[in-house]
Amino acid sequence: QSALTQPASVSGSPGQSITISCTGTSSDVGSYNLVSWYQQHPGKAPKLMIYEGSKRPSGVSNRFSGSKSGNTASLTISGLQAEDEADYYCCSYAGSSTTWVFGGGTKLTVL
Amino acid sequence: QVQLQESGPGLVKPSETLSLTCAVSGYSISSGYYWGWIRQPPGKGLEWIGSIYHSGSTYYNPSLKSRVTISVDTSKNQFSLKLSSVTAADTAVYYCARQRGIAAAASFDYWGQGTLVTVSS
Repeated sequence: QSALTQPASVSGSPGQSITISCTGTSSDVGSYNLVSWYQQHPGKAPKLMIYEGSKRPSGVSNRFSGSKSGNTASLTISGLQAEDEADYYCCSYAGSSTTWVFGGGTKLTVL
Repeated sequence: QVQLQESGPGLVKPSETLSLTCAVSGYSISSGYYWGWIRQPPGKGLEWIGSIYHSGSTYYNPSLKSRVTISVDTSKNQFSLKLSSVTAADTAVYYCARQRGIAAAASFDYWGQGTLVTVSS
């Protein structure tokens, strides 16, 4: 299984919206609308931001939303805030033999 | 509040076996869910290593399968990782995490703080 493809970096100004893409194949992202997204600040453990494609855990801001089209899932952050600056990772179930695969990660810079 | 805590040697010699344990509090492993190990080499991205279902069924990353063993000890409410024949490429921060949900819907909702394991002689 290959890692899901994410852009290495994205940036935006406070108050703007950004979208991070996560491209897989018909065997993972394309087969399951169940991608999860994680936020990781430097030196910290990842934090679950979106699960089952578009659901937010309790306590996660509604500025974060998830969607999917074909083999690509997306994470959108609206109303960017300085605290959103972090690395973001997507993760998908990869089917066969019950496995999971992460994306390569995207560094978000808030200008 | 679910909490996970990794423990184990921070330094392992090449060709030896890396062994880590994840102690879980606030939730009984035997009650359900998957329990997984994820690693992150310095400056790089996350890599799923493998998971164990509460019943004991195991699932491994195909690229590591020949070297990985994950087990669970429900009496101590902990699960463990063994990675054999390590090389410098296995140097990473190792995280344990709970996977809430069933199979395709499972997501990593609680994480340990991570522990750095360095492979060096």
